[in-house]
Amino acid sequence: QAVVTQEPSLTVSPGGTVTLTCGSSAGVVTSGHLPYWFQQRPGQAPRTLIYETFNKHSWVPARFSGSFLGGKVALTLSGAQPEDEADYYCLLHYGGDWVFGGGTKLTVL
Amino acid sequence: QVQLVQSGAEVKQPGASVMVSCKASGYIFSDYYIHWVRQAPGQGLEWLGWINLNDGAPRYAQKFHGRVTMTGDRSITTASMELSSLRSDDTAVYYCARGSGTVVPAPVARFQSWGQGTLVTVSS
Repeated sequence: QAVVTQEPSLTVSPGGTVTLTCGSSAGVVTSGHLPYWFQQRPGQAPRTLIYETFNKHSWVPARFSGSFLGGKVALTLSGAQPEDEADYYCLLHYGGDWVFGGGTKLTVL
Repeated sequence: QVQLVQSGAEVKQPGASVMVSCKASGYIFSDYYIHWVRQAPGQGLEWLGWINLNDGAPRYAQKFHGRVTMTGDRSITTASMELSSLRSDDTAVYYCARGSGTVVPAPVARFQSWGQGTLVTVSS
């Protein structure tokens, strides 16, 4: 089974920009991996931010965006707000199976 | 609106089995997959598998093969996940989440709706 890797922790200043990445031990991440990004606050269920690399649900603020970056998939937060402090997880699809990344703890400070 | 309501917390002894249920409403039950995901205390998310509620076919993460069974009951629009031979490291919050369409792909629906989570504690 492939291992999906994320930065364990990142810090961003309020109003700043930060990029979280998600890589695969199996090689380059492509659209075929159907990349997802989730936000999870303490005590809550995960909430989908991005599905299939770029697509956002209606409730997702415009400051979040998904892209490819250097063989990985990326989540960029532009104009961080205090409420964006949370854990972020990516999820990749491997021929029927799904694998979560280890998560990134994002601090807005 | 789509709702997934899970069964309540469980405390089990090592070696026992646990079943967590997920009652779906607000949509046609058999038209979507259900995924199961768990999260150990202070840890990340882990995918356990999915079940196709149109034909009942499951797919399990390799790690859980032989220990997990996922089923669905259309008559009560409820999906269930049973995990056997419990160990202390199975202590976690278990979530169900709606997947994509079983007949017509629906990527926008995949992982959009989640249950509230069920805490399973394995302890002697």
